[in-house]
Amino acid sequence: DAGITQSPRHKVTETGTPVTLRCHQTENHRYMYWYRQDPGHGLRLIHYSYGVKDTDKGEVSDGYSVSRSKTEDFLLTLESATSSQTSVYFCAIRLDRNSYEQYFGPGTRLTVT
Amino acid sequence: AQTVTQSQPEMSVQEAETVTLSCTYDTSENNYYLFWYKQPPSRQMILVIRQEAYKQQNATENRFSVNFQKAAKSFSLKISDSQLGDTAMYFCAFMKDLNYGGSQGNLIFGKGTKLSVKP
Repeated sequence: DAGITQSPRHKVTETGTPVTLRCHQTENHRYMYWYRQDPGHGLRLIHYSYGVKDTDKGEVSDGYSVSRSKTEDFLLTLESATSSQTSVYFCAIRLDRNSYEQYFGPGTRLTVT
Repeated sequence: AQTVTQSQPEMSVQEAETVTLSCTYDTSENNYYLFWYKQPPSRQMILVIRQEAYKQQNATENRFSVNFQKAAKSFSLKISDSQLGDTAMYFCAFMKDLNYGGSQGNLIFGKGTKLSVKP
């Protein structure tokens, strides 16, 4: 399962509060991704990382920031959560530069009330 | 920009029968990869099968096989001998070739097809 964990697995928060989701991997993979899953949209890329302190934006990055200070952790932050950010968030890893498969964590269900 | 379309929001099949899920995509790229992911009620995303665009031979993984038609930009998934455990959302996904401007390595997903296998 590529050793990916996400925390928390479920969270309910209020509009306007900051929220940080954590993705942790145990196998030193360089590439990490954050996606969100919404009904009728499939999964969409928020941000990705290609190394420590190397990150870039994806398709739906507005309202989100990320950080990667260690290889094993990729953090997704909602600076001021909004109801439109209610979603299921998935972290994924890609094994190496020449690998095409992505492996996903178990997901975090976030509800913003 | 690339897009992936899954035109069947829901499908059902009887146990032990065969079902085909459709996927079409739009791209101007010549080199890319296509994937099918399965998402059971547990929510875990599971890679089912992948296809390299430069390969003419269709990929097969046990009961799962694809029909890849590059000119038609079609990538359907066939599930043979359907089992109750195949009940899930199935997502088709596209990735640019990493050696041809696809350095991000991110996936572009369709909206999914909900498959129900009935006993």
